Amino acid sequence: GAGVSQSPSNKVTEKGKDVELRCDPISGHTALYWYRQSLGQGLEFLIYFQGNSAPDKSGLPSDRFSAERTGGSVSTLTIQRTQQEDSAVYLCASSLDSGVDTQYFGPGTRLTVL
Amino acid sequence: GENVEQHPSTLSVQEGDSAVIKCTYSDSASNYFPWYKQELGKRPQLIIDIRSNVGEKKDQRIAVTLNKTAKHFSLHITETQPEDSAVYFCAASKQSSGTYKYIFGTGTRLKVLA
Repeated sequence: GAGVSQSPSNKVTEKGKDVELRCDPISGHTALYWYRQSLGQGLEFLIYFQGNSAPDKSGLPSDRFSAERTGGSVSTLTIQRTQQEDSAVYLCASSLDSGVDTQYFGPGTRLTVL
Repeated sequence: GENVEQHPSTLSVQEGDSAVIKCTYSDSASNYFPWYKQELGKRPQLIIDIRSNVGEKKDQRIAVTLNKTAKHFSLHITETQPEDSAVYFCAASKQSSGTYKYIFGTGTRLKVLA
């Protein structure tokens, strides 16, 4: 079946602009995660959605970052007033049920803030 | 807070030799330990995982061992091949009060020299 998809694959924006990144998880997966990966670095946890529970936002780096998950499926990560340090690959992952299941990653969105 | 330490950060081995990557975790309640492989420019993908009721798991050339008492787990790759060159991430996860904590290590860049 289809894997996790993300759009756009690349996004170039100017400093100060807002951006929206989209994630379509695998159908039926109740858990969804967002990570940030700077060049050559590890996976920085941003936010986690599990079913209808309140999301775990503990990884969001500032209040410029927010995320929604509508209808328990598609998720959107929004970055307001982008800064150059926001430049990174943003990875989305989903898992069947919980944090003790395999995470399936999307291809990522490469964000470049000029 | 909980964290996962991963060593070494880089590892070079000759083709055919073995490679070992080690991780330690801080939260004794962690009960799921996956390993992900990320090839250059690609998304992380699960290669093997182990749960806390098992001490060792093998899948062809790769194996993972878990020492719950010492709170560390290791990835072993035998008969390394050039296609094993990638960044490897360990993670530790647990279920806690309806949510979870899924923490990645900082990654190990493995180079297999032909």
